[in-house]
This record gives sequence, C-alpha cells and structure tokens, in this order.
Amino acid sequence: DGGITQSPKYLFRKEGQNVTLSCEQNLNHDAMYWYRQDPGQGLRLIYYSQIVNDFQKGDIAEGYSVSREKKESFPLTVTSAQKNPTAFYLCASSRGGPTEAFFGQGTRLTVV
Amino acid sequence: RKEVEQDPGPFNVPEGATVAFNCTYSNSASQSFFWYRQDCRKEPKLLMSVYSSGNEDGRFTAQLNRASQYISLLIRDSKLSDSATYLCVVSETTDSWGKLQFGAGTQVVVTP
Repeated sequence: DGGITQSPKYLFRKEGQNVTLSCEQNLNHDAMYWYRQDPGQGLRLIYYSQIVNDFQKGDIAEGYSVSREKKESFPLTVTSAQKNPTAFYLCASSRGGPTEAFFGQGTRLTVV
Repeated sequence: RKEVEQDPGPFNVPEGATVAFNCTYSNSASQSFFWYRQDCRKEPKLLMSVYSSGNEDGRFTAQLNRASQYISLLIRDSKLSDSATYLCVVSETTDSWGKLQFGAGTQVVVTP
C-alpha cells in the first residue's frame, strides 16, 4: 500500500535536546511538507521541499532544520533553539503544483 | 489578515439536518481548492477537491465563488460520524509550485 509514514507517534524530549522526526513516503511524490499544529489551531508550515536536495523555509522555520537527501524521506529536526516545541507535527506529500496533499499520522512531541 | 479564514464554529447540527459553512481566501490568484476533514488528534484527510463548476460527492457539496473569493461546503442528512473539524485548503501557485494554505478549521458537532 502506498502511503506516508511518520515515526515515532509519540516523542518526549528533555529541554535542551535536539530530536529528529522521521517522514517517509512511497507515493513517488516530488513535494514534501512539514506542518505544526497546536491545540485548537490550524496548520502552520515549517519547511517544504519541491525536489531532492532543495527545501524552503515556511512560515515558522526558526528552531527547526530539515534535509531532503532522498525523494522518499524528509526528516525534521527540532533543535534546542525552538522555544516551544510541544505540538502535533504533521508531514505531508504531494505531486507538486496545485495538487492535494496526503498526510502521515503525525508525531506528538512533548517537552518534559 | 489571514490568507484563508474560516468560522471556527462549533456548528451544532441535529442528526439528519443540513449544515453549510464558508471559507474565504485573500489571494485572487489561487488556483486549487480543497476541503479536508480532521478528527480529534488525527491527521487531516482529503474530503474533496473543489472545482469551478461545483461538485458533489454523496451528501457533500462544494462550491467555489471566485468573484467573492470563497468556497463553501454543504453537508446534507448529517450523520453522527460527520462530527469533525473541516479544513479549507487553498493552493497558491508560484512558478509551478503549489503552496498549500490551510484555514484553522470549522468544527461541526452532529447531535442525536
């Protein structure tokens, strides 16, 4: 089955630590995205990538980093510079252009 | 001003009734429009695309009004399972790149 997989589903981080969230897709999609969702809020774009080895900052990129070394993979690192990292993180992919996106099941990150 | 705006609700709807709500967008150059459904603590899932001529999928009808820059979603014969948050998504295309803008969502609660 084609799809997009995020792991882990739940993640706990101590203050001052970097953590990396995994996102893999086997849909052969060119574009991949990372969003953050806070309780009762909409989705905010962190980073996006149209093609391998290229990515762009979204609206709230500060404190985050990404890489796109393979078409299938778009990991997100939440660094210690992110002041309020507790949130629901969603990865998505699309064919690119004005097309719909498909989401992974999300990673719920909590700082302890 | 937000690029995509939605009434957050909640819209409390008796089972079997009809509910409709709109979403306004600010970028007149927006090319594609979608409705997503998001259940509590889950990822958004594509409900339907919105075409210029309007489209229907079972009990769901979507309309686009480019002149007034809004899209609408109508749900007929509401079911308890329709309770969810409905996200309006607008794709803005720049250099063939479709950047998805999400509204904050409209919450629908269907009651017995």
